[in-house]
Amino acid sequence: AQRVTQPEKLLSVFKGAPVELKCNYSYSGSPELFWYVQYSRQRLQLLLRHISRESIKGFTADLNKGETSFHLKKPFAQEEDSAMYYCALSGKYGGSQGNLIFGKGTKLSVKP
Amino acid sequence: DAGVIQSPRHEVTEMGQEVTLRCKPISGHDYLFWYRQTMMRGLELLIYFNNNVPIDDSGMPEDRFSAKMPNASFSTLKIQPSEPRDSAVYFCASSHARGGGTEAFFGQGTRLTVV
Repeated sequence: AQRVTQPEKLLSVFKGAPVELKCNYSYSGSPELFWYVQYSRQRLQLLLRHISRESIKGFTADLNKGETSFHLKKPFAQEEDSAMYYCALSGKYGGSQGNLIFGKGTKLSVKP
Repeated sequence: DAGVIQSPRHEVTEMGQEVTLRCKPISGHDYLFWYRQTMMRGLELLIYFNNNVPIDDSGMPEDRFSAKMPNASFSTLKIQPSEPRDSAVYFCASSHARGGGTEAFFGQGTRLTVV
């Protein structure tokens, strides 16, 4: 079964501290993994995807197939990073792109 | 394109009433998703469509919920009859299938309150 697990509901750090938002997944195949972010009063939007191997707003995430993890990291947190972060998995259905499953989300709070 | 458009933005209704949520996906997108967001359960996938055809509705909580996509530019999520536990934010999202890393675009959501 497809499942995305984000073990932390809330993560609170001070400005300048490193941040790691954990994400583990369960999927029998080669999934596509994403991180979405929802800032206060804004719509959910894509932050980054594992295929692009990019760094967005200082955030990076590496897919570890051995540990089935896709943790989101940033070396120095900023106050504007405070938001709700969702890890997501896109599976396959009938050979084409299928559903998009989200974890329950982690609320990141960066204190001054 | 104005992005994914949902209406209404807010809906307050009495228990037992029928509620219809609407979504206009981004033109050209062939996938449409309906999600429900609550504090307790996070973002749950209710149903998704591909080329207007429902592919997986296993996330629909019960028979009171139904979704349709009569054409490529419009979808509805209906709750009949509504109950207080249906209170949540409902999101619609659309995407276009292509090779790897497809991004889903979300609407601003409909905040439903059932009293």
